[in-house]
Amino acid sequence: EPEVTQTPSHQVTQMGQEVILRCVPISNHLYFYWYRQILGQKVEFLVSFYNNEISEKSEIFDDQFSVERPDGSNFTLKIRSTKLEDSAMYFCASSEEREVWETQYFGPGTRLLVL
Amino acid sequence: AQSVAQPEDQVNVAEGNPLTVKCTYSVSGNPYLFWYVQYPNRGLQFLLKYITGDNLVKGSYGFEAEFNKSQTSFHLKKPSALVSDSALYFCAVRGDNYGQNFVFGPGTRLSVLP
Repeated sequence: EPEVTQTPSHQVTQMGQEVILRCVPISNHLYFYWYRQILGQKVEFLVSFYNNEISEKSEIFDDQFSVERPDGSNFTLKIRSTKLEDSAMYFCASSEEREVWETQYFGPGTRLLVL
Repeated sequence: AQSVAQPEDQVNVAEGNPLTVKCTYSVSGNPYLFWYVQYPNRGLQFLLKYITGDNLVKGSYGFEAEFNKSQTSFHLKKPSALVSDSALYFCAVRGDNYGQNFVFGPGTRLSVLP
């Protein structure tokens, strides 16, 4: 069964450094998403992406965040200057269509720790 | 605004007994309700969803959920729990008017005791 994959599984970085989290969505999916889960808190939506454009973003997704599909398979989340409060589990997801009833399939996550 | 509540942080059940994990929601317009499960060091795995039609939805691993519009609930159930069902369960909702993003509940940790 096809799966969403994410690399790295864990990342430790110093405050102020840039990090790039990578995702490979399911191959025939066209819609891509990033979510985050701060330890002990809810899973929160960050951004959705389609056709090389952001289609929706939450208020969490400020100017320090960016997303990109640099090639035909990868989907990346960049945090330009990490803050302590960016420490969280980051999940990538993908879906075939964009309808509200469409299932999103999630990757295993990248645990980011900012020191 | 959309919201999801999972009133129990933790549910303990003996193996072989029925289990229920509760979820209530608030959304304007038609709700689209989902259950996901998270095993340790794994991502969120889709279990089932309600879109329309029959209020009882069947999903993966023997789980089912019942949509109750009047009570705005979507409780997850399984007739006979397995130890391997122990995990973190998330209820999520999307509404007609809220675009593509899910709103997740806080999660319920299910422990099935042998």
